[in-house]
Amino acid sequence: AQSVTQLGSHVSVSEGALVLLRCNYSSSVPPYLFWYVQYPNQGLQLLLKYTSAATLVKGINGFEAEFKKSETSFHLTKPSAHMSDAAEYFCAVATGTASKLTFGTGTRLQVTL
Amino acid sequence: GAGVSQSPSNKVTEKGKDVELRCDPISGHTALYWYRQSLGQGLEFLIYFQGNSAPDKSGLPSDRFSAERTGGSVSTLTIQRTQQEDSAVYLCASSSDGTGSKKLFFGSGTQLSVL
Repeated sequence: AQSVTQLGSHVSVSEGALVLLRCNYSSSVPPYLFWYVQYPNQGLQLLLKYTSAATLVKGINGFEAEFKKSETSFHLTKPSAHMSDAAEYFCAVATGTASKLTFGTGTRLQVTL
Repeated sequence: GAGVSQSPSNKVTEKGKDVELRCDPISGHTALYWYRQSLGQGLEFLIYFQGNSAPDKSGLPSDRFSAERTGGSVSTLTIQRTQQEDSAVYLCASSSDGTGSKKLFFGSGTQLSVL
């Protein structure tokens, strides 16, 4: 079975500070890992994905995530938070091209002045 | 169409009534998903259609829930004898899994309220 765990349902950072959103996965086979973002009153959109190529993945809006097999983690980071980054972020896992995508419970990011 | 379209955008129904939610995926996308998003609960997987394969129904919460996808395109999610706990946003997503990209394109959802 595949699953992801997102530590922290709410994270608050100051504008300009480092953003770190945590995701740990469980999978019996090499996983595909994703981060999706949901801005207020908008649908979900793909931020970045890992599909067994480079372990450091760069996404849109300055976000990146690193796949660490030894830690079963895929944490999302951004060096400097912007007010526009306030949104809900979802980590997701799939175990193959034909398998379903399973989402975590989400982390709401708040950015303060 | 240009994106995934869901209808209706809002549905208010009385407990015990049946409801049908519709999803028009992006043309040519072989994979279609239904998820349910409740406040504080994240995205709960419901069902997954991939091409002509048998759908993965493992996420349907009870036999009151069913879904079909006609002609590999439009999908309908049906909830029979609705209960108050069915109130949520129902999201549809599609992807061109032929490339193995797993990039899902989401619709805006149907907000279901069961009174």
